Amino acid sequence: DAGVTQSPTHLIKTRGQQVTLRCSPKSGHDTVSWYQQALGQGPQFIFQYYEEEERQRGNFPDRFSGHQFPNYSSELNVNALLLGDSALYLCASSPMGGPTDTQYFGPGTRLTVL
Amino acid sequence: GNSVTQMEGPVTLSEEAFLTINCTYTATGYPSLFWYVQYPGEGLQLLLKATKADDKGSNKGFEATYRKETTSFHLEKGSVQVSDSAVYFCALRMKDAGNMLTFGGGTRLMVKP
Repeated sequence: DAGVTQSPTHLIKTRGQQVTLRCSPKSGHDTVSWYQQALGQGPQFIFQYYEEEERQRGNFPDRFSGHQFPNYSSELNVNALLLGDSALYLCASSPMGGPTDTQYFGPGTRLTVL
Repeated sequence: GNSVTQMEGPVTLSEEAFLTINCTYTATGYPSLFWYVQYPGEGLQLLLKATKADDKGSNKGFEATYRKETTSFHLEKGSVQVSDSAVYFCALRMKDAGNMLTFGGGTRLMVKP
């Protein structure tokens, strides 16, 4: 059983560009959350998707947007990239049935903005 | 708002030493508490959790007890191994906040043979 997968593994962009990161949840999971982890810091919650809708959002600007597809996979889009957006972006999935203490994290996508 | 504070690292220990990593939290209510571990180049793995006061989470020789009186969830292990070298994150989840986790800043543990 594949766990949470994310693509790409690494990405380099320049300021002002746009980026799309992808996440496939663990089998049987329908909820996906995204986190940003700056170097040397703890992850910060960006948003959560369930039933193809954004359900909760952390303190991130509108430049960060997302989408969830009918197969529960998800995308994170960041527009007008800033140097400060350089970070490891983590996706976490959780099983069906509503809020839960059970979440599985993917390996992350390392985004570097030059 | 809700927050988690961990002791700053790095924590450097010799193999078989006793480990304590302090974690305290601030929350409006009674959260679930977690310890996650991040090995080099990998994502986060749940190490243990506790969902109510006085619960003890344990896994792989690690333990942590949910202390409501001191709003703490300190991580302990009696005898660390080189393979325990990693970054450890304390986190909380409020039951009315969906699946959102609030993390501390992380503590790097380095175990020397």
